[in-house]
Amino acid sequence: TQLLEQSPQFLSIQEGENLTVYCNSSSVFSSLQWYRQEPGEGPVLLVTVVTGGEVKKLKRLTFQFGDARKDSSLHITAAQPGDTGLYLCAPISNSNSGYALNFGKGTSLLVTP
Amino acid sequence: NAGVTQTPKFRVLKTGQSMTLLCAQDMNHEYMYWYRQDPGMGLRLIHYSVGEGTTAKGEVPDGYNVSRLKKQNFLLGLESAAPSQTSVYFCASSYLRENTEAFFGQGTRLTVV
Repeated sequence: TQLLEQSPQFLSIQEGENLTVYCNSSSVFSSLQWYRQEPGEGPVLLVTVVTGGEVKKLKRLTFQFGDARKDSSLHITAAQPGDTGLYLCAPISNSNSGYALNFGKGTSLLVTP
Repeated sequence: NAGVTQTPKFRVLKTGQSMTLLCAQDMNHEYMYWYRQDPGMGLRLIHYSVGEGTTAKGEVPDGYNVSRLKKQNFLLGLESAAPSQTSVYFCASSYLRENTEAFFGQGTRLTVV
């Protein structure tokens, strides 16, 4: 079983601040996805990173996949209250039973005005 | 286009009772997943299916059974509910290829008393 850690577990910041959350593992992944979950809703895909060292930007969100494909980070610039939610990373692993999408415990982000 | 629909949305069970949660998707997805979400634990994979008639165990399969008799439906069964199964259950579906987006239902909040 892969060990997957997301940090920090909780983060409370004010509007306009920058932040970075992390997803680390002891295993190498072929690819990794980031999802955001708002209260009372299911998670929604933000991005998929595939190549070691890859950087993807989605407006104020910047995602990076580590060179060794064992970790990833999400950086938010000038956070807004609409960024509030649970951020989940999901490394994609392949097995004899197909692709299993397993999630980390997530980082719960609260952005206050 | 309904996407992924979970039934019911809320349920209270007594210990020892049985029930079935239904997940239906109208996107012709091959992959379907069942997760449970508990505070501070992120999403944990219970069972998943890579196609009609096939199922596989995830991280926390004990106490649950699943069936995928039709491509569009994935059923999660609790034969003898226990208080430890109190949780929010999410179903998801995706196409049969790596790095594809998983679409989630709205969740089922289950309380076992």
